[in-house]
Amino acid sequence: ELKVEQNPLFLSMQEGKNYTIYCNYSTTSDRLYWYRQDPGKSLESLFVLLSNGAVKQEGRLMASLDTKARLSTLHITAAVHDLSATYFCAVPNTGNQFYFGTGTSLTVIP
Amino acid sequence: EPEVTQTPSHQVTQMGQEVILRCVPISNHLYFYWYRQILGQKVEFLVSFYNNEISEKSEIFDDQFSVERPDGSNFTLKIRSTKLEDSAMYFCASGGVTNEKLFFGSGTQLSVL
Repeated sequence: ELKVEQNPLFLSMQEGKNYTIYCNYSTTSDRLYWYRQDPGKSLESLFVLLSNGAVKQEGRLMASLDTKARLSTLHITAAVHDLSATYFCAVPNTGNQFYFGTGTSLTVIP
Repeated sequence: EPEVTQTPSHQVTQMGQEVILRCVPISNHLYFYWYRQILGQKVEFLVSFYNNEISEKSEIFDDQFSVERPDGSNFTLKIRSTKLEDSAMYFCASGGVTNEKLFFGSGTQLSVL
């Protein structure tokens, strides 16, 4: 079974600071997805990364994919309170079944 | 933007009872999924459905679970005899083509007492 791990699991950071969330996965995949989940809510798609070296940016978030290292990063720049949420990476297998990471619970402190 | 809709938003049931969770995927999508999330834990795959049949299922999806697409628009998950450990948030998702992201519904919170 494809395993997807994220670290850290919990992240508390001050507003204005930068930080990176890491997502490692166990088998070859050329696609990776990042989702955001607010408490009690559904999963909102953030980024779709479809090839090695892909980089996507939206506001204060930037995601990248290194398929050779089986690693994706989600970089947060100058964090604001609105970014507080749980962030999941997800990797599909050949059957398009998505395997989700353990999640990173981000709290941005004023 | 089109969305996946799920009903009910909350379902409370007694252990051993049958429940049916309903989903209306995005209309031109071809791939349909059920996932679940136990409180505070990661999202777990249950089953995928394509071309009117199950394409893949996880170990969680045992004989107590079944899925149907009865009328071309609805996609249902049935749990025949619920157990306490079935309590979770159940998400339906759909996708159009292979590389596309999955669109998730707002979920059904199932509580088994």
